[in-house]
Amino acid sequence: KQEVTQIPAALSVPEGENLVLNCSFTDSAIYNLQWFRQDPGKGLTSLLLIQSSQREQTSGRLNASLDKSSGRSTLYIAASQPGDSATYLCAVGSGGYQKVTFGIGTKLQVIP
Amino acid sequence: GAVVSQHPSWVICKSGTSVKIECRSLDFQATTMFWYRQFPKQSLMLMATSNEGSKATYEQGVEKDKFLINHASLTLSTLTVTSAHPEDSSFYICSARKGKRNTEAFFGQGTRLTVV
Repeated sequence: KQEVTQIPAALSVPEGENLVLNCSFTDSAIYNLQWFRQDPGKGLTSLLLIQSSQREQTSGRLNASLDKSSGRSTLYIAASQPGDSATYLCAVGSGGYQKVTFGIGTKLQVIP
Repeated sequence: GAVVSQHPSWVICKSGTSVKIECRSLDFQATTMFWYRQFPKQSLMLMATSNEGSKATYEQGVEKDKFLINHASLTLSTLTVTSAHPEDSSFYICSARKGKRNTEAFFGQGTRLTVV
């Protein structure tokens, strides 16, 4: 059974700082890995999708890396802004029907 | 990106009644849709996998008679919470895939269910 762990559970940083969010998964036989953002009481916004054959993806100030063999992914956020404050979820697609298994998330607060 | 629409976005119902939540893929056909539930301060937990034209596959511990899933077409899946109780109050969210393998999962906006 796939299990996804995210560290840290919460993070508070001053505006402008670069930061790294970590995600680990137990079963390396994955199809893909996605990073999402969830604002309080809202749905999910997809940030980046990394296929199992890829090592990283970039979108603007966001960079996600994937090391499938070690079961790890990181989300790097450059020059953080208060608008980046949200919960960031790591989700792994694996198994039949490519079920998506979520981590519990990292709650990020960027202080102005 | 593709659009998945979920309706309603929030609903309040009385204990004992049933509530239906719709999930539609607006600009693509989704052979497989997924239903998740999220309790406060917890992660999203997969409830069931819904395949068009066949019975849904439920995760362990999810009551199939309580959470009825119907995937009648390639663009619509519904989740009906039957005889709802306050402990069913949660955030329910659906997702759909465009293709069969290695494709991005697109999520609906979610439905906040409160049972009073």
